[in-house]
Amino acid sequence: NAGVTQTPKFQVLKTGQSMTLQCAQDMNHNSMYWYRQDPGMGLRLIYYSASEGTTDKGEVPNGYNVSRLNKREFSLRLESAAPSQTSVYFCASSEKSEAFFGQGTRLTVV
Amino acid sequence: EDQVTQSPEALRLQEGESSSLNCSYTVSGLRGLFWYRQDPGKGPEFLFTLYSAGEEKEKERLKATLTKKESFLHITAPKPEDSATYLCAVGALGGGYNKLIFGAGTRLAVHP
Repeated sequence: NAGVTQTPKFQVLKTGQSMTLQCAQDMNHNSMYWYRQDPGMGLRLIYYSASEGTTDKGEVPNGYNVSRLNKREFSLRLESAAPSQTSVYFCASSEKSEAFFGQGTRLTVV
Repeated sequence: EDQVTQSPEALRLQEGESSSLNCSYTVSGLRGLFWYRQDPGKGPEFLFTLYSAGEEKEKERLKATLTKKESFLHITAPKPEDSATYLCAVGALGGGYNKLIFGAGTRLAVHP
């Protein structure tokens, strides 16, 4: 039972480069989320998708875009990476209450 | 403003030394209080959900309790394998979705 799968696990980007973080869940959940985790700040919501075909901004959406490709997949795109986007990114999914998380993508922007 | 504060930031215990972690919150329209465990380099792992004041949940050496303003995660006779960061989150309805607001976590180290 895979749960929530994220790729890649690690990535180094140069300032200005673009990339897409992939996320897929096999729990048939409607809601999916992208968080970033920075030291001392907890998890902060970037974007969420309440159901297939819908997306909306969370707490820190600037510099990011998302696509809910289908019920299983929710991707996060950085169009022009900045050092401030160095962080650990987590995808999560939920149905009614608790959220289940992937293993994270550690992104460094130099 | 919805807010979650966890204390202490870090806690060092000897094996077998029981203690409690605190999560205090302010939220309009609580839709659950969640505890997660996070190991280094891993994603948060779900532990408990509490919905109403007075509710308690237990799992092995962990017990979570909830009041109207805070939650406690009690760790009884901890072992080194309980070392991890423990995250608290509250669920709130806002902006048309069930949002989770996380605290910064408590880093627990249990030494033999």
